[in-house]
Amino acid sequence: NAGVTQTPKFRILKIGQSMTLQCTQDMNHNYMYWYRQDPGMGLKLIYYSVGAGITDKGEVPNGYNVSRSTTEDFPLRLELAAPSQTSVYFCASSRQGSTDTQYFGPGTRLTVL
Amino acid sequence: QKEVEQDPGPLSVPEGAIVSLNCTYSNSAFQYFMWYRQYSRKGPELLMYTYSSGNKEDGRFTAQVDKSSKYISLFIRDSQPSDSATYLCAMSATRNTGKLIFGQGTTLQVKP
Repeated sequence: NAGVTQTPKFRILKIGQSMTLQCTQDMNHNYMYWYRQDPGMGLKLIYYSVGAGITDKGEVPNGYNVSRSTTEDFPLRLELAAPSQTSVYFCASSRQGSTDTQYFGPGTRLTVL
Repeated sequence: QKEVEQDPGPLSVPEGAIVSLNCTYSNSAFQYFMWYRQYSRKGPELLMYTYSSGNKEDGRFTAQVDKSSKYISLFIRDSQPSDSATYLCAMSATRNTGKLIFGQGTTLQVKP
């Protein structure tokens, strides 16, 4: 039982490039989330999903896109990367809503230069 | 004004000390309160969960909610070096929702 896995662990992008951050969970959880964490700023919700085929915006969705075609996978797409997207990205999942225990992945450290 | 305020610290205490970590919030609709612990370069993990007002104890940890003051606390008794981490408060107004509001996190260092 691997829990929540994220790839890649680290990535450096040039301004204007695109990439997809992968997230997979093997706990059969309905809810999945993408957060970003900037130094000293806590976690900000980017997007979340309540089940396959259903996604919704969080606090800071601009510059990102998501899809949820299966229960297990919830990729985050960055189009036209900007320096402001330099951050650590965490994927999480929970059985029910956000107040249920959220299980986090190890994070992806992204730098945009 | 941020919805959830948390002093980022860092907070440094000697081993065995009692630690008090706090968050204030502005949204009186918040009913669900959580504390997550995050070790360096790791994802957060749930430490304590409290619904509405009152206290909840789990081993050396006590979570306290005062809704009248819009103030929540996490107390750590007999602190250990292994408690050194960042502690994030989080809260929500409704249960089955996708959105949780996190504080900035307080970095705690417990010195042996």
